[in-house]
Amino acid sequence: DTAVSQTPKYLVTQMGNDKSIKCEQNLGHDTMYWYKQDSKKFLKIMFSYNNKELIINETVPNRFSPKSPDKAHLNLHINSLELGDSAVYFCASSPEQVYGNTIYFGEGSWLTVV
Amino acid sequence: AQTVTQSQPEMSVQEAETVTLSCTYDTSENNYYLFWYKQPPSRQMILVIRQEAYKQQNATENRFSVNFQKAAKSFSLKISDSQLGDTAMYFCAFISSQGGSEKLVFGKGTKLTVNP
Repeated sequence: DTAVSQTPKYLVTQMGNDKSIKCEQNLGHDTMYWYKQDSKKFLKIMFSYNNKELIINETVPNRFSPKSPDKAHLNLHINSLELGDSAVYFCASSPEQVYGNTIYFGEGSWLTVV
Repeated sequence: AQTVTQSQPEMSVQEAETVTLSCTYDTSENNYYLFWYKQPPSRQMILVIRQEAYKQQNATENRFSVNFQKAAKSFSLKISDSQLGDTAMYFCAFISSQGGSEKLVFGKGTKLTVNP
């Protein structure tokens, strides 16, 4: 019944590795997002996709590559992980026109790079 | 660019009492939405309450209410009859349709502790 689900919930990996975080929503929404929450708890948008099309890319390093195989899924792949990538990554979704609607968040994926 | 400021990094309140969390924002837009999200230790982001800028009436959701002052660009959250389960980070957030690129902008959060 989970509306926005992310896997894995916890991930510990070494610097230089490549990892992916998967996200799925069963709300029928057209728009999906990735947000990053750093160690100071600051939340900031990274990407948004609408119907598999990239809408927002907030100057995120090229090592981060989102992929949307269909509008219910938005995966985040990270290459050559760095210590500074340690954070909680939140997937979210909203109806096509997010303005005026609510954004629903997943439970977050805790990434720790060692 | 829109910004959201939460000037209280941490607050505490006794159980059953009332607490108010502050939020101010900066925008040149006239139409927008404001939100308060709660993030308990589990880290899940939970919507608490939302306010539409064109509505003068303050939003309320059970024990949660807002004081929306559009001219002052202020959007504070009042929690009445505080409960231990209200202990969490609270984030104020803003969204407008400026430029057709809609994104939620968050403040840095206020850590609220409800003491028994």
